[in-house]
Amino acid sequence: DAMVIQNPRYQVTQFGKPVTLSCSQTLNHNVMYWYQQKSSQAPKLLFHYYDKDFNNEADTPDNFQSRRPNTSFCFLDIRSPGLGDAAMYLCATSRDGGSKHEQYFGPGTRLTVT
Amino acid sequence: DQQVKQNSPSLSVQEGRISILNCDYTNSMFDYFLWYKKYPAEGPTFLISISSIKDKNEDGRFTVFLNKSAKHLSLHIVPSQPGDSAVYFCAASTGNTGKLIFGQGTTLQVKP
Repeated sequence: DAMVIQNPRYQVTQFGKPVTLSCSQTLNHNVMYWYQQKSSQAPKLLFHYYDKDFNNEADTPDNFQSRRPNTSFCFLDIRSPGLGDAAMYLCATSRDGGSKHEQYFGPGTRLTVT
Repeated sequence: DQQVKQNSPSLSVQEGRISILNCDYTNSMFDYFLWYKKYPAEGPTFLISISSIKDKNEDGRFTVFLNKSAKHLSLHIVPSQPGDSAVYFCAASTGNTGKLIFGQGTTLQVKP
């Protein structure tokens, strides 16, 4: 089945220790998104790639970076995690970037910062 | 400033009855609205959507209503089933960005 896969599902890192979350997709979609969802809050878009074009949200901290080496994979790098970065991180894809194109989400990676 | 709001964190209904989930938005530029459903330990999955040029869209047991003048949309589930128990997110987008602005979610519990 075509899908969006996120690894790991649970990640524990230490305060200030860099961490990378990964996302892969078998849907061959052009667009890949990273969302951050804190407890009982709305998922919040951090950035997205349209093919190789990177689009950062204005309020995404510099601590968060992303890489998309090819169509299938996208990585979220947190350079120096703080306690406030503990959250669920959701990866999503869409065939195109238009409003009508629904997004397909992975199961998420829950990040704990100790 | 939260542009999409779901003011009810939770809703409980009896099996077979109607579930009504509500969503309010502030940005009149939104042109597309979507509902996503999320089970524990899974990512959100698309449920139903509506364009701003329409006021109703129906798909089986699910109907979404849009009231642009009130900047309000609602999701009706009839009849509700225990398998519908999940968190429901309302989302809105504008133009060609595909960027979704989500509400905080409403947890629906359907009791047998």
